[in-house]
Amino acid sequence: GQNIDQPTEMTATEGAIVQINCTYQTSGFNGLFWYQQHAGEAPTFLSYNVLDGLEEKGRFSSFLSRSKGYSYLLLKELQMKDSASYLCAVRDQENTGFQKLVFGTGTRLLVSP
Amino acid sequence: DAEITQSPRHKITETGRQVTLACHQTWNHNNMFWYRQDLGHGLRLIHYSYGVQDTNKGEVSDGYSVSRSNTEDLPLTLESAASSQTSVYFCASSVGTSGIIEYNEQFFGPGTRLTVL
Repeated sequence: GQNIDQPTEMTATEGAIVQINCTYQTSGFNGLFWYQQHAGEAPTFLSYNVLDGLEEKGRFSSFLSRSKGYSYLLLKELQMKDSASYLCAVRDQENTGFQKLVFGTGTRLLVSP
Repeated sequence: DAEITQSPRHKITETGRQVTLACHQTWNHNNMFWYRQDLGHGLRLIHYSYGVQDTNKGEVSDGYSVSRSNTEDLPLTLESAASSQTSVYFCASSVGTSGIIEYNEQFFGPGTRLTVL
């Protein structure tokens, strides 16, 4: 089976740094995605990790440790527009060989002035 | 510009009615997916397709069906709508060869908010 855990809600101040954690248990791990979703809108792709380590993309970075079943999304220099939900999704390979994305429930981040 | 669209964006229906939600993408992607999003559950996979004439059940497929007659469209049908199917429905697509989801990200449509009374 699959299980993905992330905090329900976090708050931070404009200009600060915030780290959103995600832990997962899956039988056929084959990559981890982070998506951003503003209220009432579609999820949009932020980052992808398949090997251990840090991937940096401007103000956003994502880290993966496969041995620990752990990832985090790091947001620097927070802006008001970063207020959104952040979805952790694991690509899981089934016994048939087919792969699918399994999503966590999302972390709602509120950035205050 | 290529895009993925959903219609209608909002729908109110009654219990027992048949409802079809449309999804159309112009990226020429092989893979298409339908998810529902509910508070406390995140995005859950309903059905998916790896190409024309291919459809597969996801984790919450009961009460839903899909058909793939061309590359661009994957309509989702609720055979007999139930109040438990009140949700926000997202369609997504990704590049991929038949039968395998590539590592490429999924692109999501704007969503359809369905209310079943």
